[in-house]
Amino acid sequence: DTAVSQTPKYLVTQMGNDKSIKCEQNLGHDTMYWYKQDSKKFLKIMFSYNNKELIINETVPNRFSPKSPDKAHLNLHINSLELGDSAVYFCASRHNGGSTDTQYFGPGTRLTVL
Amino acid sequence: SQKIEQNSEALNIQEGKTATLTCNYTNYSPAYLQWYRQDPGRGPVFLLLIRENEKEKRKERLKVTFDTTLKQSLFHITASQPADSATYLCAHSNQAGTALIFGKGTTLSVSS
Repeated sequence: DTAVSQTPKYLVTQMGNDKSIKCEQNLGHDTMYWYKQDSKKFLKIMFSYNNKELIINETVPNRFSPKSPDKAHLNLHINSLELGDSAVYFCASRHNGGSTDTQYFGPGTRLTVL
Repeated sequence: SQKIEQNSEALNIQEGKTATLTCNYTNYSPAYLQWYRQDPGRGPVFLLLIRENEKEKRKERLKVTFDTTLKQSLFHITASQPADSATYLCAHSNQAGTALIFGKGTTLSVSS
């Protein structure tokens, strides 16, 4: 009964490849996010979706494309992978009805681009 | 732009002592601050939230304070244990309320 799950946990790939990371939440939340945590452990927002609609797209290269087939899923597709894309990617979700934006994070996907 | 800083990257203390972690914010006055714990290889886990009109919040051995004059939050762990060793992240909402902005975190090591 994992709340926020991501697959795969580890992803090793060559430069130039295209890859996807999947995220699912079973909390019934309305908003989902993708964060990137770099080698210095800095956690930065990339995208936010509310009920399948894109809310935030921070200054992320357009090689990154999020897709939300339904409220419970937010996948991240990355084209033409570069060395600098190596990082840990976290999916998160939150409930819209609350007065705060406490977020629930997935376990992360460690992406290594060779 | 909004900025949130956690001054210490690492903090080493002995078991039983109180750990105090600092979080400072600039250019914005958030309505509340949040603290998360992150263990190696895992996602952040929410611990505590404190609102601007609350001076202090407690949860078991954890205590958070919020000083809007100093633009600072302090996070205390009393009677620390080796199991408290982790990275602690401070966060607040951006002005639009659409995402969290995180500090870089402080890695706490509690030795027995």
